[in-house]
Amino acid sequence: GAVVSQHPSWVICKSGTSVKIECRSLDFQATTMFWYRQFPKQSLMLMATSNEGSKATYEQGVEKDKFLINHASLTLSTLTVTSAHPEDSSFYICSGRGSTDTQYFGPGTRLTVL
Amino acid sequence: LAKTTQPISMDSYEGQEVNITCSHNNIATNDYITWYQQFPSQGPRFIIQGYKTKVTNEVASLFIPADRKSSTLSLPRVSLSDTAVYYCLVGDGGANAGKSTFGDGTTLTVKP
Repeated sequence: GAVVSQHPSWVICKSGTSVKIECRSLDFQATTMFWYRQFPKQSLMLMATSNEGSKATYEQGVEKDKFLINHASLTLSTLTVTSAHPEDSSFYICSGRGSTDTQYFGPGTRLTVL
Repeated sequence: LAKTTQPISMDSYEGQEVNITCSHNNIATNDYITWYQQFPSQGPRFIIQGYKTKVTNEVASLFIPADRKSSTLSLPRVSLSDTAVYYCLVGDGGANAGKSTFGDGTTLTVKP
């Protein structure tokens, strides 16, 4: 199956700093990438959808100025959490969709904001 | 957007067949049904996808009735390592891909 990687797998940062998470599709071109957030013992919540070369579309309630998404190429999307606060601590998961109607997910990034 | 409903939890024993059903009453004509498996602190892993009737791969089977308002994931002879959360996702993969809302999932616990 298609492989998606994320980097870093975990990150700890101080409140007020910014954190960048990379999502790469390793063996397919992801025309569309999605970013999810998952809190403990909860389901995945879609944050935003991005198409290569276009601005991301954010779900209601997700601040676009706080969660900056860039999808500069068909294999790379980045999520930057700006001015992170403890309430942003979560498990962030990206997925990519290529020519088939299937999403393939990355392994996730655990963000802890102190 | 199709909303999905699954049982919150299921228990099974090693070697048994497990069937997890998902209801998606307002599935649209273009929607596919995809099932994922998620272990703690990992991203969801693709299991199987179908549109209608039956699909089978090396790990599971997916049964979809003619009206497509539900689907059943069948895991043959489960093992302890199949303990995980299983999600069904309904979406067309096109313009609304990703708009498929994750439901609460089914926590499957396999006992020895």
